[in-house]
Amino acid sequence: KQEVTQIPAALSVPEGENLVLNCSFTDSAIYNLQWFRQDPGKGLTSLLLIQSSQREQTSGRLNASLDKSSGRSTLYIAASQPGDSATYLCAVPGSQGNLIFGKGTKLSVKP
Amino acid sequence: ETGVTQSPTHLIKTRGQQVTLRCSSQSGHNTVSWYQQALGQGPQFIFQYYREEENGRGNFPPRFSGLQFPNYSSELNVNALELDDSALYLCASSYPQGMYGYTFGSGTRLTVV
Repeated sequence: KQEVTQIPAALSVPEGENLVLNCSFTDSAIYNLQWFRQDPGKGLTSLLLIQSSQREQTSGRLNASLDKSSGRSTLYIAASQPGDSATYLCAVPGSQGNLIFGKGTKLSVKP
Repeated sequence: ETGVTQSPTHLIKTRGQQVTLRCSSQSGHNTVSWYQQALGQGPQFIFQYYREEENGRGNFPPRFSGLQFPNYSSELNVNALELDDSALYLCASSYPQGMYGYTFGSGTRLTVV
């Protein structure tokens, strides 16, 4: 049974810092992994989708990597800003074509 | 390209009542899935519809049911509401198996009192 774990559960950093969010999954037989951002009480905004054939995806200040063999993905945020404050979720496909999520990392960027 | 739209955004229901939540999928997507998100938790898969048929279901009781329409929009129905059904309900659309990722709506906040 696929399980997704995100570490840390919460993170507080000063503005301008570079930071890394971690995601691990138990079953490496995935075909993609998706990172989402969620603001309080809101829906999910897709940040990056990494296909299994890729090792990295970049969008602006965000870079996500995927290592299937070790069951890990990282989301790197460069030069963090207060507007980056949100919960970040990673998700992998389940056996029914659904998504299986971690519990998320709550990020707070202090001005 | 239109995104995923959910309605209503908020609603309050009494225990034992029934509720219907609605979702329109992103243009071009033919698969719709529903998730329940409790406070502080990741979204949990309820069920998925493809070509108007349910083709996947999570660990939710039969009082959670759904429909998908020919235009790929979808409804989530919950009967005999319980207090624990209070949550954010998220709808996502995709191509089959989410091969190119999922697009989520802004959610419906359901409060059961």
